[in-house]
Amino acid sequence: TQLLEQSPQFLSIQEGENLTVYCNSSSVFSSLQWYRQEPGEGPVLLVTVVTGGEVKKLKRLTFQFGDARKDSSLHITAAQPGDTGLYLCAGGPYNTDKLIFGTGTRLQVFP
Amino acid sequence: KAGVTQTPRYLIKTRGQQVTLSCSPISGHRSVSWYQQTPGQGLQFLFEYFSETQRNKGNFPGRFSGRQFSNSRSEMNVSTLELGDSALYLCASRTGTETQYFGPGTRLLVL
Repeated sequence: TQLLEQSPQFLSIQEGENLTVYCNSSSVFSSLQWYRQEPGEGPVLLVTVVTGGEVKKLKRLTFQFGDARKDSSLHITAAQPGDTGLYLCAGGPYNTDKLIFGTGTRLQVFP
Repeated sequence: KAGVTQTPRYLIKTRGQQVTLSCSPISGHRSVSWYQQTPGQGLQFLFEYFSETQRNKGNFPGRFSGRQFSNSRSEMNVSTLELGDSALYLCASRTGTETQYFGPGTRLLVL
């Protein structure tokens, strides 16, 4: 069974702080996606990384795919209350179109 | 373009009953996937339909079933409901192997 473990599970920080969320697996994935989910809504795709070692930036968010394609990280610079939500990584295995979702990181940013 | 819509948004059932949830994908999207989200297990893949055929299936018991109609709308059915079936059920649509767009979900409570 392919699993994606995210850490930390919960993160509570003040506005302006930086943070990093990790997504780790023992399996290799063809691609890795990051989603953010707000209460009462479905997950919204933030980014897809497909190349080992790839780094993508989306304003204050920086995403990295590990060289071995088994792990990924999401770094947020100067967090804002609007960043509050559940962050999910999701891996695309090579042999299927199914997505394997991570365990999730719940982020709370206080003003 | 309208997003993915799911009905109903909230549902309360009792053990042993059955339930049918509906998902209307984004216009032009032929693939619909269903997921179950719970605090303990996270987001888990149920099944995917493409052009009225089930293309992928997760590890759920046979009480969980689905179907897709010629207009790409999809329904999922859960028979003989158990307390553990209480969850947020999400559907997502996409054109092929592109980005999945999630609906807001149906929150099911089994008493």
